[in-house]
Amino acid sequence: EAGVAQSPRYKIIEKRQSVAFWCNPISGHATLYWYQQILGQGPKLLIQFQNNGVVDDSQLPKDRFSAERLKGVDSTLKIQPAKLEDSAVYLCASSFGRGRGVNTGELFFGEGSRLTVL
Amino acid sequence: SQKIEQNSEALNIQEGKTATLTCNYTNYSPAYLQWYRQDPGRGPVFLLLIRENEKEKRKERLKVTFDTTLKQSLFHITASQPADSATYLCAPTSSSNTGKLIFGQGTTLQVKP
Repeated sequence: EAGVAQSPRYKIIEKRQSVAFWCNPISGHATLYWYQQILGQGPKLLIQFQNNGVVDDSQLPKDRFSAERLKGVDSTLKIQPAKLEDSAVYLCASSFGRGRGVNTGELFFGEGSRLTVL
Repeated sequence: SQKIEQNSEALNIQEGKTATLTCNYTNYSPAYLQWYRQDPGRGPVFLLLIRENEKEKRKERLKVTFDTTLKQSLFHITASQPADSATYLCAPTSSSNTGKLIFGQGTTLQVKP
């Protein structure tokens, strides 16, 4: 079974430039998450989708970050303009997520996209 | 505000010993708690899930306990091996949310041969 696919694996940009990350979740998974993981810290949830609707984006810096999940499958996370403090690994995860109730299932993570902002 | 605390310092143990990692939480009433393993440069991988009505759960050499009175979960690896060296993340989850998973900062385990 194919896992969660993410690209690119690595990206280096100058501050104030823009960047986009792509995620393809496991087939059939309704819930998709984007996490930001800064070196030495645990993953921090940025946004959670249920199919193509946003369930939670309370931690997403909306002045510079945006995310979409068209057709309830693939998702793109964009940062524009990037700041030095955005240097992190951006992890995409998916789960079965039956409805908007309690999701007790495990999350399946991709390998992450490592962003360096210079 | 909700807070999750894991040992921030790395845990170094000798091969064959039992490793015990701690996850404490405050301002939380989690219905269940998940543990994940993360290797350098990789995404986290699910290990175990324990529900609030379960005191203990085992999977091969892994054992997880969940004490809702102490607001704590303990994660044990018995007969540890160098291959167990990784960062371990806990994620307590409330039943009142929409399945949002919030992680602790993780504890790095180093098992020496």
